[in-house]
Amino acid sequence: EIVLTQSPATLSLSPGERATLSCRASQSVYSYLAWFQQKPGQAPRLLIYDASNRATGIPARFSGSGSGTDFTLTISSLEPEDSAVYYCQQRSNWPPYTFGQGTKLEIK
Amino acid sequence: EVQLIQSGAEMKKPGATVKISCKVSGYTFLDSYIHWLQQAPGKGLEWMGLVDPEDDKPIYAENFQGRVTITADTSIDTAYMELSSLRSEDTAVYYCAIPSGASGSYLDYWGHGTLVTVSS
Repeated sequence: EIVLTQSPATLSLSPGERATLSCRASQSVYSYLAWFQQKPGQAPRLLIYDASNRATGIPARFSGSGSGTDFTLTISSLEPEDSAVYYCQQRSNWPPYTFGQGTKLEIK
Repeated sequence: EVQLIQSGAEMKKPGATVKISCKVSGYTFLDSYIHWLQQAPGKGLEWMGLVDPEDDKPIYAENFQGRVTITADTSIDTAYMELSSLRSEDTAVYYCAIPSGASGSYLDYWGHGTLVTVSS
């Protein structure tokens, strides 16, 4: 089973700042990695797929990069509504699909 | 508009079985696998398994093998997830989700979640 490790666990930034979230895989997942955003009481929302492609309707301030074992989600200029937990997920080697433990992003 | 409508919250005793439904609308039911995921309170997401509605064949995560049954009823565009031998650690929100194809094989449509509480 591929283990995804996200860092940091918590990130606290101000509106307009840049957020950089990391996801590291225990073995190569090539580019088969997605990022999800989850707000309290809501289902996860797909942001990025195949490491760098924005899903439909996702603002351009969200971008993804990386391949192999190291991936990054960047939010270029934070908005208050970006406060959420962010998860990475791989579909390279399944079953099972696996998720990281999440990064909680707080907007000050 | 694609919608996944899940059944309502359930309260069960330890050892019992729960069965949750997920009705798909606005999308061709046969066109995509239906996935089920578990999220315990304050915890992350865990993938439980999926079913291919075309042949009703499931694939399960090892962590749930033997306790979970995922099925699909193509006559009413509804998938089901049944979890047996419930224990307190199964208290969680359960989601169904599908990849519509617009974002490859990634889960871009989700149900609203069904809370299952296991308590004596």
